[in-house]
Amino acid sequence: VVLTQSPVSLPVTLGQPASISCRSSQSLVDSDGNTYLSWFHQRPGQPPRRLIHDVSSRDSGVPVRFSGGGSGTDFTLEISRVEAEDVGLYFCMQATHWPPLTFGGGTKVEIK
Amino acid sequence: EVQLVESGGLVVQPGGSLRLSCAASGFTFDTYTMHWVRQAPGKALEWVSLISWDGDNTYYTDSVKGRFSISRDNRKKSLYLQMNNLRSDDSALYFCSRGDGSTLMDVWGRGTTVIVSS
Repeated sequence: VVLTQSPVSLPVTLGQPASISCRSSQSLVDSDGNTYLSWFHQRPGQPPRRLIHDVSSRDSGVPVRFSGGGSGTDFTLEISRVEAEDVGLYFCMQATHWPPLTFGGGTKVEIK
Repeated sequence: EVQLVESGGLVVQPGGSLRLSCAASGFTFDTYTMHWVRQAPGKALEWVSLISWDGDNTYYTDSVKGRFSISRDNRKKSLYLQMNNLRSDDSALYFCSRGDGSTLMDVWGRGTTVIVSS
């Protein structure tokens, strides 16, 4: 399964919304009815941190300005109001069709 | 505190071997699937391998099949990756991570760097 993220680079203004797309080469709905699509954030020099799992479930401690949505082959990570700490790389990952688990190519968020 | 700490990364010549380790603490290691994920400089994340909680089931990405071997020692709360016949495109920061289902990759180590170069 190939995950295609867009845009590759996303300059954003502090306080403004941001949206990242993740499109899958095939449906990510599992035979059990669940959709195993996660989002990760990676700051420079840091390991990835999971933000969202199962399309829209926010991890503990993740700010409410982050939300995930979508279905089938099209998914989105949205930041309602970007803060300075949100810069870095964002990756989507699917675990419906494995092996292998696959990641998107990444989106770099930077402040204008 | 839940923690994963990788070690063993080195500079190694093409064709060489290396064994990475990942020490777990703060959670019941022997109930979790474990993963290795790598990231070449400036590149995306790439899943490498996973091992079931009991070590009975292992899976690999195609590019490392036959060269890498994942294992674990639940008594020592440790995960390993034996890497043989290393190639330049294996150069990367190697992370260990845990979980499946709702815990899939909810915790990561800081990684250990492998450089394959002559």
